[in-house]
Amino acid sequence: AQSVTQLGSHVSVSEGALVLLRCNYSSSVPPYLFWYVQYPNQGLQLLLKYTSAATLVKGINGFEAEFKKSETSFHLTKPSAHMSDAAEYFCAALNNAGNMLTFGGGTRLMVKP
Amino acid sequence: SQTIHQWPATLVQPVGSPLSLECTVEGTSNPNLYWYRQAAGRGLQLLFYSVGIGQISSEVPQNLSASRPQDRQFILSSKKLLLSDSGFYLCAWGGGAYSGYTFGSGTRLTVV
Repeated sequence: AQSVTQLGSHVSVSEGALVLLRCNYSSSVPPYLFWYVQYPNQGLQLLLKYTSAATLVKGINGFEAEFKKSETSFHLTKPSAHMSDAAEYFCAALNNAGNMLTFGGGTRLMVKP
Repeated sequence: SQTIHQWPATLVQPVGSPLSLECTVEGTSNPNLYWYRQAAGRGLQLLFYSVGIGQISSEVPQNLSASRPQDRQFILSSKKLLLSDSGFYLCAWGGGAYSGYTFGSGTRLTVV
């Protein structure tokens, strides 16, 4: 069975600093991978997705993620954090049938002024 | 375009009362539909998913049930709520193979 691991349930950065949220997956076949963002009391919103077209994926709000097969990783980055980036972020992997997402435990990003 | 509606946004219910949360999808047919729960400080827990009318798969045995009476309607129910049912409930639909999910705006349920 697939699993998705997000290292660090809480990450704190200063405004303007690099954001790095880590995600590792376990799968015998490189899966389709997703990052979602959730603001307080809202549903999850798609940030970006990897579908094997390109290893570096650009998403909304200046975020991007790089798929590294050798490391089974799909880390999310943003060069400069904004206060508005404070939210919870979820990494997810799609099963081989393409109809079931496995989510990581989530990482809460805090941005300090 | 496809949209997903979930209501109510917030709900406060006494212990032992029934529950009905509704989720509807527009602009698509035969979607895969999912119910998730987020308890305070915890991640996403898949409760139920459905691939068609009347077809429900339960991931976690609990005090809740789900039904899909129509193609684009997914209902989460309980006959008697427990304190432990409190949480944030999210409905999602699968936007076609390999497209991931689109989520509703969620329902904050507080059982008192």
